[in-house]
Amino acid sequence: NAGVTQTPKFRILKIGQSMTLQCTQDMNHNYMYWYRQDPGMGLKLIYYSVGAGITDKGEVPNGYNVSRSTTEDFPLRLELAAPSQTSVYFCASIQGGSETQYFGPGTRLLVL
Amino acid sequence: GQNIDQPTEMTATEGAIVQINCTYQTSGFNGLFWYQQHAGEAPTFLSYNVLDGLEEKGRFSSFLSRSKGYSYLLLKELQMKDSASYLCAVRGVDSNYQLIWGAGTKLIIKP
Repeated sequence: NAGVTQTPKFRILKIGQSMTLQCTQDMNHNYMYWYRQDPGMGLKLIYYSVGAGITDKGEVPNGYNVSRSTTEDFPLRLELAAPSQTSVYFCASIQGGSETQYFGPGTRLLVL
Repeated sequence: GQNIDQPTEMTATEGAIVQINCTYQTSGFNGLFWYQQHAGEAPTFLSYNVLDGLEEKGRFSSFLSRSKGYSYLLLKELQMKDSASYLCAVRGVDSNYQLIWGAGTKLIIKP
């Protein structure tokens, strides 16, 4: 199993550009999450999904969108990038009834 | 409101013992988690406490007191590779397995 994979690893965007951060898990987990982590800070939940076709907002959803058309994939879309979206983005997944969230390696995004 | 507090940074000596504290105030409780995060990497799971008491796992132990809203992570026989951030997180009830995260404690190990 590859676990949770994320692409790209690093990206520089100009203000106003858009992009999609990809996240895929091969563990058949039904719950998936997108977090952002700013320097010296904890993880902030952007969006989450409890299964294919179901998504919901987390703590900091503004400026982002998600979709969950399959169990495996949970892409995060940034429209009109802003410097405040400079951060490290982590995708995570968990199987219902389990204790452990599994994290992808992260995407480092710089908006200039 | 929901709040998780832990010290920002701690320093300890190789071979010694260190205790990292975490206090929480959350609406509902369904478990407390500790994750380790090395610089530039993703968090990895260390421990899970849902009942009061001490859980021991090798050199790492985690303690929970639900009545006090308090947990600690105890690291023994510190090694240089233990230099990392340690994140405390709480799962609420009916939370869709969501976690509320503390800001993390950066642990610096000195020779």
